[in-house]
Amino acid sequence: DIVLTQSPALAVSLGQRATISCRASESVRSSMHWYQQKSGQQPKLLIYGASNLASGVPARFSGSGSGTDFTFTIDPVEADDIATYYCQQSRNDPYTFGAGTKLELK
Amino acid sequence: EVQLVESGGVLVQPGRSMKLSCAASGFTFSSFPMAWVRQAPTKGLEWVATISTSGGSTYYRDSVKGRFTISRDNAKSTLYLQMDSLRSEDTATYYCTTVYYGYNWGYFDYWGQGVMVTVSS
Repeated sequence: DIVLTQSPALAVSLGQRATISCRASESVRSSMHWYQQKSGQQPKLLIYGASNLASGVPARFSGSGSGTDFTFTIDPVEADDIATYYCQQSRNDPYTFGAGTKLELK
Repeated sequence: EVQLVESGGVLVQPGRSMKLSCAASGFTFSSFPMAWVRQAPTKGLEWVATISTSGGSTYYRDSVKGRFTISRDNAKSTLYLQMDSLRSEDTATYYCTTVYYGYNWGYFDYWGQGVMVTVSS
């Protein structure tokens, strides 16, 4: 199975940029997707295909990368963005998720 | 508006069975592959099973193969997950999701609110 590695947590200030990384154990090309999960809620798709914004998602969210290294960015961070963010690959079966990065306020 | 509403979660003893349901509305259910994704308490997300639009093809993670069965009733716009021989490690919130396949991608674009399954004696 492809293992996706994310940092456990990231502390940011409101109005600043937050950058979350996801590293795959082997190349997933552009088959990387990002989800937001707020406390007590279901996950929500934000980015698909590494850099494509899902419908209705604000433009302050963005994604980049290919192969094994991917970045998810929020710029600027708003209070409503406090959540855990997961990456997910669909290059190989089974589809796997990263362990999640919890975005916290400084 | 897409809505996915799961039901059927409860406390069950190890080795017993349980069936989850997911009622879909707001889209053409029969046109979308569907999946179950679970999340153990305080843990991350884990794909469980996927079913094709017709129900003719199903896919499972290794740890549930032979114990779980995903199925769908397109006439009722409902997705199911029959879980047999349950283990404590199956304890999780189970989410019903739509699956989008395109351009070599596969991702989970709509999610239900989730249903909690607790396996304990």
